[in-house]
Amino acid sequence: EDQVTQSPEALRLQEGESSSLNCSYTVSGLRGLFWYRQDPGKGPEFLFTLYSAGEEKEKERLKATLTKKESFLHITAPKPEDSATYLCAVQPPKFSGGSNYKLTFGKGTLLTVNP
Amino acid sequence: DTAVSQTPKYLVTQMGNDKSIKCEQNLGHDTMYWYKQDSKKFLKIMFSYNNKELIINETVPNRFSPKSPDKAHLNLHINSLELGDSAVYFCASSQVSRGYTFGSGTRLTVV
Repeated sequence: EDQVTQSPEALRLQEGESSSLNCSYTVSGLRGLFWYRQDPGKGPEFLFTLYSAGEEKEKERLKATLTKKESFLHITAPKPEDSATYLCAVQPPKFSGGSNYKLTFGKGTLLTVNP
Repeated sequence: DTAVSQTPKYLVTQMGNDKSIKCEQNLGHDTMYWYKQDSKKFLKIMFSYNNKELIINETVPNRFSPKSPDKAHLNLHINSLELGDSAVYFCASSQVSRGYTFGSGTRLTVV
């Protein structure tokens, strides 16, 4: 069965203090790995999709990287507005292709950035 | 313009009642989903529809019945509500390679 484990469960940083969130996965053939941001009382918001080991994507202070067993979300010089829960999800081979696919989510990392 | 909209945002009801949650997307996506997020924030897929056809049906009690009148709408009807059904239910839609677009969720509380 597909499994996604995120660590740490919670992370508290000072503004400007860079760090990384981890997402390790077990899936029988990865089709894609997704990162989302979720603010309280809202739905998850899409950040990145990674498809192959070695791939990297960046958006403002966030950079996502992918290996064969895990993904990291690096946060550089975070600001209080980066505080949110960050979710990782994997797309297995089944139902892959086309616009219909199942995502298996991790439990998320709650990031708090203090001013 | 809201891309994926769900109604209601909050729903409080008694055990044994029947309730529905509605979802509409204006993105032109072919695929829509229902996900359940429990108290530990764990998101788990329930159903997916592609052009009104049921594609994914995870292990969900028969009391839950999705309906898609057209590809822009996916509703969720729940019969005989139980305490364990309390959760946040998210509707989403998708297109190739760009991830899901989620609605803002419906917080269901069964008392």
